[in-house]
Amino acid sequence: ILNVEQSPQSLHVQEGDSTNFTCSFPSSNFYALHWYRWETAKSPEALFVMTLNGDEKKKGRISATLNTKEGYSYLYIKGSQPEDSATYLCAFRPSGTYKYIFGTGTRLKVLA
Amino acid sequence: NAGVTQTPKFQVLKTGQSMTLQCAQDMNHNSMYWYRQDPGMGLRLIYYSASEGTTDKGEVPNGYNVSRLNKREFSLRLESAAPSQTSVYFCASIQDRGGTQYFGPGTRLLVL
Repeated sequence: ILNVEQSPQSLHVQEGDSTNFTCSFPSSNFYALHWYRWETAKSPEALFVMTLNGDEKKKGRISATLNTKEGYSYLYIKGSQPEDSATYLCAFRPSGTYKYIFGTGTRLKVLA
Repeated sequence: NAGVTQTPKFQVLKTGQSMTLQCAQDMNHNSMYWYRQDPGMGLRLIYYSASEGTTDKGEVPNGYNVSRLNKREFSLRLESAAPSQTSVYFCASIQDRGGTQYFGPGTRLLVL
């Protein structure tokens, strides 16, 4: 059974703080790693698609890195704002399959 | 361009009843997915369809069947609903490796 783990499970930070979370996935048979942002009562929305070892992606104050050899990806948020409050999900796709395996997410709450 | 649509938004069933959850996408995507979301469990893959005419089991397929009716539509059927199938169901679609999954708004199902 392929396991995707995210840590921490939840996080409270003050407005203006920078923060980061981890997604761990199997280091063999890597195909792609996705990050999603999921607000309460909405659907997950894509942040990044990462396919190559060493990938770094950035969108505004949010960025992500990928290490496929050791099986982890970091998501960073710089200068957190209350509107960043959401659950952040990662999804791992092994090679040779169309399946995506999701982690259970990191729930972020940014306090004003 | 509606993206991914799901019907119904909310449904209450009695144990043993059957129903079909509908999903359609207008983005000409090849692959479509059904997930369920339960508290503390993240998104778990029920079934997926890599392309029109093919379907495959995900992590939790028991109690469900699917039909990829055409490229646009992918339905999920519960033949005999059980309380354990109370969940929020999300449909998603994706074009290819470099793309992201687009999620529908979800169907909230309560089985009594």
